[in-house]
Amino acid sequence: EAEVAQSPRYKITEKSQAVAFWCDPISGHATLYWYRQILGQGPELLVQFQDESVVDDSQLPKDRFSAERLKGVDSTLKIQPAELGDSAMYLCASSLAPTSKNEQFFGPGTRLTVL
Amino acid sequence: DQQVKQNSPSLSVQEGRISILNCDYTNSMFDYFLWYKKYPAEGPTFLISISSIKDKNEDGRFTVFLNKSAKHLSLHIVPSQPGDSAVYFCAASVRNRDDKIIFGKGTRLHILP
Repeated sequence: EAEVAQSPRYKITEKSQAVAFWCDPISGHATLYWYRQILGQGPELLVQFQDESVVDDSQLPKDRFSAERLKGVDSTLKIQPAELGDSAMYLCASSLAPTSKNEQFFGPGTRLTVL
Repeated sequence: DQQVKQNSPSLSVQEGRISILNCDYTNSMFDYFLWYKKYPAEGPTFLISISSIKDKNEDGRFTVFLNKSAKHLSLHIVPSQPGDSAVYFCAASVRNRDDKIIFGKGTRLHILP
């Protein structure tokens, strides 16, 4: 069964360092999402791509976060510099189309700890 | 400001009994509601959804009820099984606007043997 792949699964870094997360969506899924889930909270959308274009990055802290999906397939989320408050689970999801009625398939996530 | 509220952080239910997970929302524009299930070390998986034009949707052991006037929905699991132990997220969207899914904080369900 096709799955969303994410790496690394765990990342420990010191504040002010740069970190990057990678996501490979299910083949054929045009829509890709990055969510952040703080402990005890639900996932919160950071950025949504349709193919290689950003369609929603309203909640992305653009002073330190960046995301790209250059060829409209896999995607990278970067944080530079990392801050203590960035410690969270970063989830990637993909779907066939950009509507909530289309099921979003989530990857296992990258757990980031900033020391 | 939480638009989707799951006020019970955890719930314990005996195996074989009914599990009822509750969710309230504040945004009257929400017209599509979803439940996701999450096991430890895995991403959330879609469970069931309901459109605001309906008040009930059933899929096997899982039924979601929607009460629009009360801005409340619930997920019923009958009968509860050990594999149902997980965190359940209620979520909602406004499909004719930005269609962004807003998640609640989740409820951890423990099925007791």
